[in-house]
Amino acid sequence: QKEVEQNSGPLSVPEGAIASLNCTYSDRGSQSFFWYRQYSGKSPELIMFIYSNGDKEDGRFTAQLNKASQYVSLLIRDSQPSDSATYLCAVNPTGNQFYFGTGTSLTVIP
Amino acid sequence: DTAVSQTPKYLVTQMGNDKSIKCEQNLGHDTMYWYKQDSKKFLKIMFSYNNKELIINETVPNRFSPKSPDKAHLNLHINSLELGDSAVYFCASSLLTSGDNEQFFGPGTRLTVL
Repeated sequence: QKEVEQNSGPLSVPEGAIASLNCTYSDRGSQSFFWYRQYSGKSPELIMFIYSNGDKEDGRFTAQLNKASQYVSLLIRDSQPSDSATYLCAVNPTGNQFYFGTGTSLTVIP
Repeated sequence: DTAVSQTPKYLVTQMGNDKSIKCEQNLGHDTMYWYKQDSKKFLKIMFSYNNKELIINETVPNRFSPKSPDKAHLNLHINSLELGDSAVYFCASSLLTSGDNEQFFGPGTRLTVL
């Protein structure tokens, strides 16, 4: 079983819609959760991190964490074509370890 | 102002050769990492160094050897390259050792082994 699992997609949404990206993780003791965005041919860049159960909002992005269900999601409101990228979920289970999911490819259609 | 830089950006070489990738960060971070990203976009940590000391060494072949001359540099040397080593290698750094820190990634080195 992989430590972090994501639906690889591709996920397509029309411009202005809400994009919902999901991630599950296997280590129940995981403490920190991250969403990175990676444009084609570029390096990952951090969008958001979340530590506590519930929602965390930053502009058009909302991260949602449910530790009981071992589930973390990212919502992108008012999706723009510039949001088209691969979104990587990352989890810090303990100490210095750090696991990434395989990413979900998102396409926002103008 | 490049925060994390890697050289070279592209590396094409024959099987069996030895090659190195260099990484430097000017963020003043204590921890640096090497990741391998395969063709399916799976990003897997290989090594992590804190202040020149190895703290994570995932299951990678002994042909891969990281070297950190100082905390701003973490180089990756690969011996006897194999076809399966073809991937994009990312260097990253973070301020602290613990995993709950944002990691800043370099631009990546695309390694192609022929």
